[in-house]
Amino acid sequence: GQQLNQSPQSMFIQEGEDVSMNCTSSSIFNTWLWYKQEPGEGPVLLIALYKAGELTSNGRLTAQFGITRKDSFLNISASIPSDVGIYFCAGQVYNQGGKLIFGQGTELSVKP
Amino acid sequence: DAGITQSPRHKVTETGTPVTLRCHQTENHRYMYWYRQDPGHGLRLIHYSYGVKDTDKGEVSDGYSVSRSKTEDFLLTLESATSSQTSVYFCAISDWKNNGKNIQYFGAGTRLSVL
Repeated sequence: GQQLNQSPQSMFIQEGEDVSMNCTSSSIFNTWLWYKQEPGEGPVLLIALYKAGELTSNGRLTAQFGITRKDSFLNISASIPSDVGIYFCAGQVYNQGGKLIFGQGTELSVKP
Repeated sequence: DAGITQSPRHKVTETGTPVTLRCHQTENHRYMYWYRQDPGHGLRLIHYSYGVKDTDKGEVSDGYSVSRSKTEDFLLTLESATSSQTSVYFCAISDWKNNGKNIQYFGAGTRLSVL
C-alpha cells in the first residue's frame, strides 16, 4: 500500500530557530495536509495543499506541495515554545473515500 | 473541534472481552473514519463510513467491526480484544467543500489498554 516517509523523526531546537520537515512518497497524492498534535488531543489541521507546486502560509508556517506530487515540506519560522508537539503530514488520493495516509510524525521540542 | 465527541476517553479491559467505542458528530457529515495511533506508525485507518449502513475497510481492519445506524454515530467494536489492540483510537469526519476538496477533522481520542 501507499506509504509516507516523514523526516526527521524528532527535532530539538532553540526558541527563535527555523524548522523544516518533509514527507516523501513512492506514489502520487492529490492532496497534502499538515497536522499538529499536542499531548492528549487529536490532530489539528494546520495547512491543506491541493495543487502541485502550491505554496501556502499560515502565520509562521509555510508548506509546499511538491511538483512531482510525491512530496511536501513544512517550515516553521522563528519557533516559540508553543510550537512543541508532533507534526504529521498526510496524503490523500481522489476517489478513495477521503482516506488519509499519514507519515510517522516529527516530534518537535523547543528550548526557551 | 468540528462537533466530534468520542466516548469513552479512557478504557482498560481484559483480553478476550468485546469493546465498543463511540464517535458522535453534530454536523451531519456523511463521511466518518476510525484510525488508530501507535508509536512509530502515525495514524492508520481501520474502517470508514460513507453513509448510514455504508462502511468499508481500511488498512488495519482485522479484529475490528463498525456500524453506522444513524448519521451522527459511528461505532467501532473490538470483537475480542487483544493486547495488540492497545492503542489510541481517533475518530474523524470529512468536511467536503463545494469544489470537491475535503478536510478531515479529528476527535480527542480514546486511549484503550487491553491487559
